Amino acid sequence: GQQVMQIPQYQHVQEGEDFTTYCNSSTTLSNIQWYKQRPGGHPVFLIQLVKSGEVKKQKRLTFQFGEAKKNSSLHITATQTTDVGTYFCAGTLYNFNKFYFGSGTKLNVKP
Amino acid sequence: ETGVTQTPRHLVMGMTNKKSLKCEQHLGHNAMYWYKQSAKKPLELMFVYSLEERVENNSVPSRFSPECPNSSHLFLHLHTLQPEDSALYLCASSQDTGWASGDNEQFFGPGTRLTVL
Repeated sequence: GQQVMQIPQYQHVQEGEDFTTYCNSSTTLSNIQWYKQRPGGHPVFLIQLVKSGEVKKQKRLTFQFGEAKKNSSLHITATQTTDVGTYFCAGTLYNFNKFYFGSGTKLNVKP
Repeated sequence: ETGVTQTPRHLVMGMTNKKSLKCEQHLGHNAMYWYKQSAKKPLELMFVYSLEERVENNSVPSRFSPECPNSSHLFLHLHTLQPEDSALYLCASSQDTGWASGDNEQFFGPGTRLTVL
């Protein structure tokens, strides 16, 4: 079964609206990473979270790692058309040294 | 631009052909990866190499055969593929594979778009 689950699968927003994607694992994660893949491009690393409850910000992007280290979220404030793409989370399962990508959330932003 | 290059960028092959995909990283990383990306399964990890040794093989059919001659180069040899193998094949590298070190930020190449007829 899928180790790292991500929702929603698709999200369509109007430019200026906020967007959030969620990542969940049934197993504790040693860390979580987030990647962005533009249409026709390849995944590009955004950030890594390691500590329980950690919150990191990159301009309009806010990343959070849950207290139990089993879930994470990426929130974009006031989306822009440049935010279009698929956002993937990726987690390393604690003690197993296995790395899994979530299924991704495809974001479309209407101008 | 990421320091990871892949060739060819596009490949069309018949089911009886033999071809190879090449990946090269210029980042001095110790780990390299092959991923398959398709509409059905967005990012499937196929193989992981650490310091030229294969450390992971995720139940990939034997018609895919990886080779890592040194820490900078990774190949994926293809033979007798099926149409369902058509996908984008991505190569990636990272400093390390170890979860404890946290140094497994991955840098992806542009991918090879493979079509099997």
